[in-house]
Amino acid sequence: GAVVSQHPSWVICKSGTSVKIECRSLDFQATTMFWYRQFPKQSLMLMATSNEGSKATYEQGVEKDKFLINHASLTLSTLTVTSAHPEDSSFYICSATLHTTTNGQYFGPGTRLTVT
Amino acid sequence: AQTVTQSQPEMSVQEAETVTLSCTYDTSESDYYLFWYKQPPSRQMILVIRQEAYKQQNATENRFSVNFQKAAKSFSLKISDSQLGDAAMYFCASGNYQLIWGAGTKLIIKP
Repeated sequence: GAVVSQHPSWVICKSGTSVKIECRSLDFQATTMFWYRQFPKQSLMLMATSNEGSKATYEQGVEKDKFLINHASLTLSTLTVTSAHPEDSSFYICSATLHTTTNGQYFGPGTRLTVT
Repeated sequence: AQTVTQSQPEMSVQEAETVTLSCTYDTSESDYYLFWYKQPPSRQMILVIRQEAYKQQNATENRFSVNFQKAAKSFSLKISDSQLGDAAMYFCASGNYQLIWGAGTKLIIKP
């Protein structure tokens, strides 16, 4: 149980375009989803926390107009990278959890974004 | 500020031997949880073990166990009978809602 999917697993887009990444909890309802960014050989950097039906809470330094997060249902959250630039190239990971982090966060497999 | 420190960037162990990964944390929370996650080359984050801070008994999951020292704010992971499949990055994390992550330890298994 507690499976999280992420789509696409990798994507290449041109500079200036937008790309959407989906995160789905397949067998449970996730009250909260988290979006992380991970640079090579580094730890996870929390970008934002997303609660179903409410606006996402962004971490300091993360541009909310650039990284649009929508959590429309208890099983789906999306991250849209708008007007992507090469510096946005990274590995993006989502995780989902029930009411608290008691049992840990369940992670999607990640999305590798390359902006050319 | 809450922090999680993993002081070992890289560790290596002979297959079938035992290895311990270190983690210290600092938190102002009275109720929190501690986790070890594994990230193999596929980059899929996998929960290895978790510990409730209010429990004194150390958590165990098969070959994985922790040494939780609350007063010292220490949470080390012991891997017994190391296997080639254990090779991965290991991240320690602390929190009650959002998680604070350590920098990670790369574990190499020597055949």
